[in-house]
Amino acid sequence: EDKVVQSPLSLVVHEGDTVTLNCSYEVTNFRSLLWYKQEKKAPTFLFMLTSSGIEKKSGRLSSILDKKELSSILNITATQTGDSAIYLCAAMYSGGGADGLTFGKGTHLIIQP
Amino acid sequence: GAVVSQHPSRVICKSGTSVKIECRSLDFQATTMFWYRQFPKKSLMLMATSNEGSKATYEQGVEKDKFLINHASLTLSTLTVTSAHPEDSSFYICSARDARRNEQFFGPGTRLTVL
Repeated sequence: EDKVVQSPLSLVVHEGDTVTLNCSYEVTNFRSLLWYKQEKKAPTFLFMLTSSGIEKKSGRLSSILDKKELSSILNITATQTGDSAIYLCAAMYSGGGADGLTFGKGTHLIIQP
Repeated sequence: GAVVSQHPSRVICKSGTSVKIECRSLDFQATTMFWYRQFPKKSLMLMATSNEGSKATYEQGVEKDKFLINHASLTLSTLTVTSAHPEDSSFYICSARDARRNEQFFGPGTRLTVL
């Protein structure tokens, strides 16, 4: 059974701290790993990682995929209260004429002022 | 763990036909289900929120007569794309909220291709 596991489930830190969120996956016919930030409505797309070892950066956020370890991390430096959200990772797969996403349960990140 | 399933996982249909996509929560009761559409750059757009036993709440710009949502039971919500056109081709994802645990779980998505 395909699964995506995120850790920690919840994290509370102070503004300015750096956080690392983890995502591990066991997915058949894996293609890519996606990170989303969910606040109110639809999750906001952050990164799509397909190649192992290549870091993607966007401002204070960065992410990298390790296909050998079947995992990915999302780093947020100099956190701000606006970073408070649920961060979701999802493994994209394809095979058998269909493709899909398997989501993790998310990490609930709270940034305290 | 909680599982949300979608059926079918992939559908190809002709322009003008209607397509129904099912979203089921398999081991919990979902009072609220959400329908999203994924765009080519992987962003997700919330289409509508459906609450069991009541009418769905559609996001601005989403045609309620085109995307019919029915949440008839605590474990099933359906999205029907009526008179589908090629521009409706997309990846549709549902998620279900487990009110008891205050958690939201996503389905695997349905790939719709309209020829």
